[in-house]
Amino acid sequence: VLTQSPDTLSLSPGESVTLSCRASRDVSIMLAWYQHKPGQRPRLLVSESTKRASGVPARFSGRGSGTDFTLAISGLQPEDSAVYYCQQRSNWPLTFGGGTKVEI
Amino acid sequence: QEQLVESGGAVVQPGGSLRLSCVASGFSFASHGMHWVRQAPGKGLEWVALISYDVVTTLYADAVRGRFTISRDNSRSTVHLQMNNLRLDDTAVYYCARGITGYGYFDLWGQGAQVTVS
Repeated sequence: VLTQSPDTLSLSPGESVTLSCRASRDVSIMLAWYQHKPGQRPRLLVSESTKRASGVPARFSGRGSGTDFTLAISGLQPEDSAVYYCQQRSNWPLTFGGGTKVEI
Repeated sequence: QEQLVESGGAVVQPGGSLRLSCVASGFSFASHGMHWVRQAPGKGLEWVALISYDVVTTLYADAVRGRFTISRDNSRSTVHLQMNNLRLDDTAVYYCARGITGYGYFDLWGQGAQVTVS
């Protein structure tokens, strides 16, 4: 089980934020982050805890291992408004966290 | 351009059946495992099923095992999801997605197909 916190954040442009994802058991570094905007398809941001996907700006950075993971976003922009999900591949079935909604 | 396009979404009665399709283009489809992931109204993302690139492996979420069947036709770059005995809680947007890193992550997604059980 992946637990994300907080549920919702309201921030201003230019601010920075750190999203949290906690796993109920050790998933090593087998964790990804996705961005999902309303009416759009999800987008892979980070895989294997820290590896940014192609085309993802450097202001998105993932950290963590074991059970505690974070996604940091610096210099928030209006287009960063979305729900962010973590997802683990350590055990089947693949599971997602409940998501953190970020409002800019 | 790499692309996935789903089709087949519809409104169906409880107990009914539906088949979703997803056509891939712009990449070597036969080299990738493919998934279906869904999002129910007001809920988060939920993995549904996987089929390996060579069709040897299929895996399902507990909620759909025995009712849903994933298949693929590499000659047509297409993956399908046959959904039988549909329930109200199967209502969702269904996305097909390409698997990477041992099928464990989803790096390319379709636009989604709406399935409403009512």
